[in-house]
Amino acid sequence: DGGITQSPKYLFRKEGQNVTLSCEQNLNHDAMYWYRQDPGQGLRLIYYSQIVNDFQKGDIAEGYSVSREKKESFPLTVTSAQKNPTAFYLCASSNRQGRGETQYFGPGTRLLVL
Amino acid sequence: AQSVTQLGSHVSVSEGALVLLRCNYSSSVPPYLFWYVQYPNQGLQLLLKYTTGATLVKGINGFEAEFKKSETSFHLTKPSAHMSDAAEYFCAVSDNFGNEKLTFGTGTRLTIIP
Repeated sequence: DGGITQSPKYLFRKEGQNVTLSCEQNLNHDAMYWYRQDPGQGLRLIYYSQIVNDFQKGDIAEGYSVSREKKESFPLTVTSAQKNPTAFYLCASSNRQGRGETQYFGPGTRLLVL
Repeated sequence: AQSVTQLGSHVSVSEGALVLLRCNYSSSVPPYLFWYVQYPNQGLQLLLKYTTGATLVKGINGFEAEFKKSETSFHLTKPSAHMSDAAEYFCAVSDNFGNEKLTFGTGTRLTIIP
């Protein structure tokens, strides 16, 4: 079955610690995205990548970093500079070609601060 | 810049009644419009989308939406609510300059009353 997997489902971060969220897709999509979801605020774009070895900041990139070394993988690191990391993180992917392409979402990772 | 407004963060309807979830957008160019559904602690699933052509769009689970350019609206409807429709619904507009960025509304939580 084609789809997007995110791991872990739950992640706990200690003060001053960097943590990495995994996102893998086997849909052969060129574009991948990371969103942060907070109650009552909808989804906000953190980073996106349209092609391997290239990525752009979204609306709330401060305190986060990403890499895109492989087409199928787009890990997100939440650094210690992100002072309020508690949220639900969603990864998505879409075909690069054409406009109005559907974004397909993974099941999400919930990050909690200890 | 594009934006989406979802009127009503919480909507309650009786089982069997009409579902109407409102979405208004702002965009300087013809938009691509989407409705997604999210069940608790899960990712988002596409219900339907408008790109070009027919302004009445039919989606999964009996939902449909109509693109009204003059009203800058894309309201979601379903003639008869079912208990399984209880979820959070997000309207989104796409940046149609080719990079497929989505701007989401803040969501509407739909409750079905038995």
